[in-house]
Amino acid sequence: AQSVAQPEDQVNVAEGNPLTVKCTYSVSGNPYLFWYVQYPNRGLQFLLKYITGDNLVKGSYGFEAEFNKSQTSFHLKKPSALVSDSALYFCAVRDPLSVGAGSYQLTFGKGTKLSVIP
Amino acid sequence: EADIYQTPRYLVIGTGKKITLECSQTMGHDKMYWYQQDPGMELHLIHYSYGVNSTEKGDLSSESTVSRIRTEHFPLTLESARPSHTSQYLCASSEGHWTADTQYFGPGTRLTVL
Repeated sequence: AQSVAQPEDQVNVAEGNPLTVKCTYSVSGNPYLFWYVQYPNRGLQFLLKYITGDNLVKGSYGFEAEFNKSQTSFHLKKPSALVSDSALYFCAVRDPLSVGAGSYQLTFGKGTKLSVIP
Repeated sequence: EADIYQTPRYLVIGTGKKITLECSQTMGHDKMYWYQQDPGMELHLIHYSYGVNSTEKGDLSSESTVSRIRTEHFPLTLESARPSHTSQYLCASSEGHWTADTQYFGPGTRLTVL
């Protein structure tokens, strides 16, 4: 079974400071990992994903994430936070070893609310 | 923004009513999904489809039903709405050619059952 944990319900950061939103996962094999952002009363927007290769993945809006296999983590980062980054962030995992109908399912974490303080 | 649409965006109805939440995508994606999300909380998959005439239930049990008669259309129906159905419903789609495909989400329908 695959699972995702986002250990922080809320992260507060001052505008201009670097931000990190944490995510750890559990899968049978090598994971496919995704980050999404959700603004109030909106759907989820795709930020980035890790499939294979370089452990540092760059995505939309200046976000990046680092895959760490030994720590089973995929933390989302941004060098300089903006007030407009304030939103709900979701990490998701898919186990490529899943077979049949379950192979395309994403398992989401509970989400982390990011607040960037002016 | 992905080309995936949901209507209505907001719906307030009384108990016992039949409702259909619409979802359509113009990307020609084979796979489509319905998620349920309570306020500020994680998403749970309730239905998915791998193509026309294919539907499966997800991890979270739901009293809703879905159909996939056309590739671009994946409506969700509640025959008799109850207050426990109050939630946000998110539709998503993906190309489906391989398991690393990205899922793209619609804006969601926020349902309130009185």
